[in-house]
Amino acid sequence: DVKVTQSSRYLVKRTGEKVFLECVQDMDHENMFWYRQDPGLGLRLIYFSYDVKMKEKGDIPEGYSVSREKKERFSLILESASTNQTSMYLCAAGKLYGYTFGSGTRLTVV
Amino acid sequence: GENVEQHPSTLSVQEGDSAVIKCTYSDSASNYFPWYKQELGKRPQLIIDIRSNVGEKKDQRIAVTLNKTAKHFSLHITETQPEDSAVYFCAASNSGYALNFGKGTSLLVTP
Repeated sequence: DVKVTQSSRYLVKRTGEKVFLECVQDMDHENMFWYRQDPGLGLRLIYFSYDVKMKEKGDIPEGYSVSREKKERFSLILESASTNQTSMYLCAAGKLYGYTFGSGTRLTVV
Repeated sequence: GENVEQHPSTLSVQEGDSAVIKCTYSDSASNYFPWYKQELGKRPQLIIDIRSNVGEKKDQRIAVTLNKTAKHFSLHITETQPEDSAVYFCAASNSGYALNFGKGTSLLVTP
């Protein structure tokens, strides 16, 4: 199984700060994903990447960017954090037929 | 993009009863339909999936059915147990890369 590690379990940031959420996978998978999970809204795709330096917008990319400089690492960037970006962020990696999710980062923007 | 609707949002059953969760999708090109289970405080995990060339798939107490004509698929859990209590997400893929998830069903199994 692919192991997916998110660097922080909890983060508290101030409005306007630039925030980096890091995700690392320990297998050689091309595909990596960032989802946002909110109560009643399920899992919404922010961005995904199917190769190094490649990225594709998901359903809610506004206010976010991503970086994939190495195959094992996929970073989500909040350029200027806002309170409506308070959420649980889940990274996933792997083939379509079997994502592995990270444990999530609960981000609070105050 | 693909739109996945999931019902009900909450479901409460007694231990031993069956539970059914239904999902519909919008894109007829979608061809892969997994179900994920998320226990409280944990990451979502794949429990069963079905591809568009199959109508039904079963794994012990859980089964998934797919009706491509109607564009809906369902998760069936029989002989429910308290440890089945969790949030269940259906998903569909029309891209070959990313999954589009439903909003989730919170299942509570009471002893």
